[in-house]
Parts: sequence; C-alpha cells; structure tokens
Amino acid sequence: AQKVTQAQTEISVVEKEDVTLDCVYETRDTTYYLFWYKQPPSGELVFLIRRNSFDEQNEISGRYSWNFQKSTSSFNFTITASQVVDSAVYFCALSESLTSGTYKYIFGTGTRLKVLA
Amino acid sequence: DTAVSQTPKYLVTQMGNDKSIKCEQNLGHDTMYWYKQDSKKFLKIMFSYNNKELIINETVPNRFSPKSPDKAHLNLHINSLELGDSAVYFCASSQVSRLLNTEAFFGQGTRLTVV
Repeated sequence: AQKVTQAQTEISVVEKEDVTLDCVYETRDTTYYLFWYKQPPSGELVFLIRRNSFDEQNEISGRYSWNFQKSTSSFNFTITASQVVDSAVYFCALSESLTSGTYKYIFGTGTRLKVLA
Repeated sequence: DTAVSQTPKYLVTQMGNDKSIKCEQNLGHDTMYWYKQDSKKFLKIMFSYNNKELIINETVPNRFSPKSPDKAHLNLHINSLELGDSAVYFCASSQVSRLLNTEAFFGQGTRLTVV
C-alpha cells in the first residue's frame, strides 16, 4: 500500500539553526510525484514543491532545499537559517495512481516545527 | 482571484442538523477532492470527482454526500451531524493526465464545530 511516513512529530529549534524534516514513502507505482506542503498557524495549506520520480536532482529555493533519494525512498526537506515565521506543520505527500487514470494524494502525519526566537 | 474557494470558513452547528459546504475552483482542473483534517492534523481523503464522476469514496459514513453539479464545483452535504464530525474540511483540485500530475490546490478550509 502507498504510505508516507514522517517520523518526527515535533521539532524545536532556535532561530538561525538549520533543520531537516524527514519523509519516507512507499509506493508500487513506477512513476509518482512527491510534494511538500506547509500549514502555518492560520490553517491554510501552502504548496512548497512537487518532484517527479524521474527527477532526482536536489532543489534549492532560497533557504529551502529538498533532497530526493529514490534508493532510500526519501524526500527530505531542509530549512537553512530558520526563522520564527517558519513555525508551522509541514506535510509530505505522495500521489497514488488509481485505475480510473486519476490520482489521489496521500499525506504523512506532518511534522510540527517550532522555531524559537 | 482565489483559485479554490470554499464557504463557509467557520461553521458551528448543533448535533443532528444538516449542513453543506460549498467549493468552487477557477483553475479549469478536472479533478476535485474533499479532505478531512482531524484534531491531530491528520489529512485523510474522503471523496474525489473527475469531470463530475465520483472516483474515490473512502470509508466515510453515508451521512456525507458529495455533489458535483459541474467540474468547477464540488459541494459536501452532511446529514445528522455528530460530535465526531468536528474537524477542518478542505476542498482541493488538481489537473491529472497521463503526462502530468499537478499538485493539489487547496481551499482555505472550513472549520466545522458540532456542539
């Protein structure tokens, strides 16, 4: 069965520290997509990144970077020089193909990040 | 313009009542979803429609009934509300094809409180 595991329930760091959020997935699909979303205290779900399973290049966007390793089925997310505004719940997600030709999105249980001033 | 909008944002109602949540997307996507987020923040899919056709119906009580009048709208009607239905309900849409799978675009959520 498709599954996303975010083993870290909650992480606390002091501002300016680097922090890595782990994501491990299981899938039977040969082509799939992985995602990260941020849910700040205001409650909306903010899309951060999408990664195709054929694209194993790491990506950097400002203070954010993502490390995709197909060999270990991991898609980890690193925030460099964390800021208080990074405090949120972060979700890793996986697309699961359906026989109808569509997809559904399976979410991990989320990691709550607290950045302390 | 808001891509995925759902109303209302907050809904407080008594047990036993019937209520609806509306969702509209202006992205031209073919697929829409309803997700439920419980108090522990766990996001679980409830329903999915593709071009107005029901694709996914997870193990959800039949008190919950989705309706898609057209591919831009997916409403959720809940009968005989129970305390355990209290949660945040998210509507989402995406564009899916053999060659492309976009991310899911989420509405701002509807916080349902049953008292």
